[in-house]
Amino acid sequence: AQKVTQAQTEISVVEKEDVTLDCVYETRDTTYYLFWYKQPPSGELVFLIRRNSFDEQNEISGRYSWNFQKSTSSFNFTITASQVVDSAVYFCALSERRSQGNLIFGKGTKLSVKP
Amino acid sequence: GAGVSQSPRYKVAKRGQDVALRCDPISGHVSLFWYQQALGQGPEFLTYFQNEAQLDKSGLPSDRFFAERPEGSVSTLKIQRTQQEDSAVYLCASSLGGLAGGSTDTQYFGPGTRLTVL
Repeated sequence: AQKVTQAQTEISVVEKEDVTLDCVYETRDTTYYLFWYKQPPSGELVFLIRRNSFDEQNEISGRYSWNFQKSTSSFNFTITASQVVDSAVYFCALSERRSQGNLIFGKGTKLSVKP
Repeated sequence: GAGVSQSPRYKVAKRGQDVALRCDPISGHVSLFWYQQALGQGPEFLTYFQNEAQLDKSGLPSDRFFAERPEGSVSTLKIQRTQQEDSAVYLCASSLGGLAGGSTDTQYFGPGTRLTVL
């Protein structure tokens, strides 16, 4: 069963628009970790954020913010005032404590930011 | 400091050939993971090492896939008798890991090896 769902396959926005990428996860583990990675056209996965299941505080880093809600099993990612350089595929991933840490990825959301 | 490096970056193999993909993790990282990423998909877990011990190989798709990390640093993923369905990007990741931190630490990825089997 798919454990990480990124329902948006592709999103296209115009520069300076705000955009939210959705992520819904499923796990029976009580201790788990959630991640977002960015994969630009060059192909390398770039780490953005890691949150554990006990910390539901939202986080902001510059133009990036993350909303973690255990009640809805969601970990959404918002880019404020998007820029062309934000164009990439974004992956949400889940790591369960009991599985020794291997990441379970969603299928990714391709974000295109047009000038 | 250097990140995770992988070589070769691109590999073209004829069906039936054996290939070996190399991963150099970040120095001092205990945990090492291999993932396979098909075109347009998210990466999928293949195998996990803690130092030289292969603790999880549940994601290896067949017995043609073999991975090793003999000295607890560099790792090699070997694919024997390659098939067209093996065409993918193979990603290596490392994390600080270890018994204290566990293997759920942040994983840092290399640039990947794009394997094309003709």
